[in-house]
Amino acid sequence: DAGVIQSPRHEVTEMGQEVTLRCKPISGHDYLFWYRQTMMRGLELLIYFNNNVPIDDSGMPEDRFSAKMPNASFSTLKIQPSEPRDSAVYFCASSINGVLPQHFGDGTRLSIL
Amino acid sequence: KQEVTQIPAALSVPEGENLVLNCSFTDSAIYNLQWFRQDPGKGLTSLLLIQSSQREQTSGRLNASLDKSSGRSTLYIAASQPGDSATYLCAVRPTGGFKTIFGAGTRLFVKA
Repeated sequence: DAGVIQSPRHEVTEMGQEVTLRCKPISGHDYLFWYRQTMMRGLELLIYFNNNVPIDDSGMPEDRFSAKMPNASFSTLKIQPSEPRDSAVYFCASSINGVLPQHFGDGTRLSIL
Repeated sequence: KQEVTQIPAALSVPEGENLVLNCSFTDSAIYNLQWFRQDPGKGLTSLLLIQSSQREQTSGRLNASLDKSSGRSTLYIAASQPGDSATYLCAVRPTGGFKTIFGAGTRLFVKA
């Protein structure tokens, strides 16, 4: 089992640029979650999917953020345009049936200059 | 609105000591409560998950308890080791959804 795979691990870009974060969940997991972690706000749920369908996106901070899950093995979180306050560590997690513990990826550390 | 608080924010103990980490939550309508461990630069690893109908869960040297009525959970670590050094997060999943709320964590340092 390869675990949840996120890419890139680190991203540094300038304000205004488009940023795309990628996630490959564990095979067979039907729930996928995107989180953001900052020193000020801790760990926050942004959006989650069930069987590739977005269920709750109320945590997405602004319209600049969007997430997609075109198939069961791939999801993206996009920020366009990016701003310095978007700098954070973004985590993807997946689980079976949403009840059992979530498995987290190692995160993408995003820095917007 | 559910709020999750963890005390203490940081803890330093000598190796071998037994210790307790505390988590409190404001809304008792929870589906389950999880304790996670986070190592620097890494994601979260689930340690223990307690369903709302359960009182405690044990795994090796770890024991987690849940008291829904008082809005409290504790994580007990027996015979601590330097390898236990990490940040421990408590997370509450509410009934009727998956919007898990995380505490800010307790940063633990176990001295050899």
